[in-house]
Amino acid sequence: QVQLVQSGAEVKKTGSSVKVSCKASGGIISNYVITWVRQAPGQGLEWMGTFIPFFGTPNFAQNFQGRVTITADGSTSTAYMEMNSLRSEDTAVYFCASGSTAYHPPDFWGQGTLVTVSS
Amino acid sequence: QSALTQPPSASGSPGQSVTISCTGTSSDGGAYNYVSWYQQHPGKAPKLIIYEVSKRPSGVPDRFSGSKSGNTASLTVSGLQAEDEADYFCGSYAGNNNLVFGGGTKLTVL
Repeated sequence: QVQLVQSGAEVKKTGSSVKVSCKASGGIISNYVITWVRQAPGQGLEWMGTFIPFFGTPNFAQNFQGRVTITADGSTSTAYMEMNSLRSEDTAVYFCASGSTAYHPPDFWGQGTLVTVSS
Repeated sequence: QSALTQPPSASGSPGQSVTISCTGTSSDGGAYNYVSWYQQHPGKAPKLIIYEVSKRPSGVPDRFSGSKSGNTASLTVSGLQAEDEADYFCGSYAGNNNLVFGGGTKLTVL
């Protein structure tokens, strides 16, 4: 089974950008549907977007369209999520997770990356 | 699409059974049989415990079971154990290659 290892915690200023990485081991990342989910402190899970290798382009939740970029580098088996124009309410733990198809909520999750946004 | 609706809390004594609901709408998360359930302990990543409404991944105890009726999916934890105390989230396919998750239910073992 694939294991996903994410980059470390980030502290960012309001209005800046953050890029979180998600490296797959035990499998080729281009074989999986990669989903990004965030969890604000004490809150539920919020789907951000999904990268589907078959289509080669990501699908985003409406709340994140235009502000989030999701990419994947097959040569390093690493996926990336970049968010710009950060605001304080973006403070959350960001998870990458893998699944078998776009229909299935993900199976395996990375450990999460805490992104803290402050002025 | 709106988040799936879960009760904020549930509780039961050791050995008892608890059922957690997850309600969507007929136009998004409630319309599909691609419902998953996750267990999340504090500070940890979610762990898949049910997929496709009622299937259990290898290694998940059969004390965990899932079902769906109409737009509402349910997770039942039988024979409650102390280690079952955690947050539980549902997730579902919502059409158009979108996913949706629930707000989570905190399960307390009394």
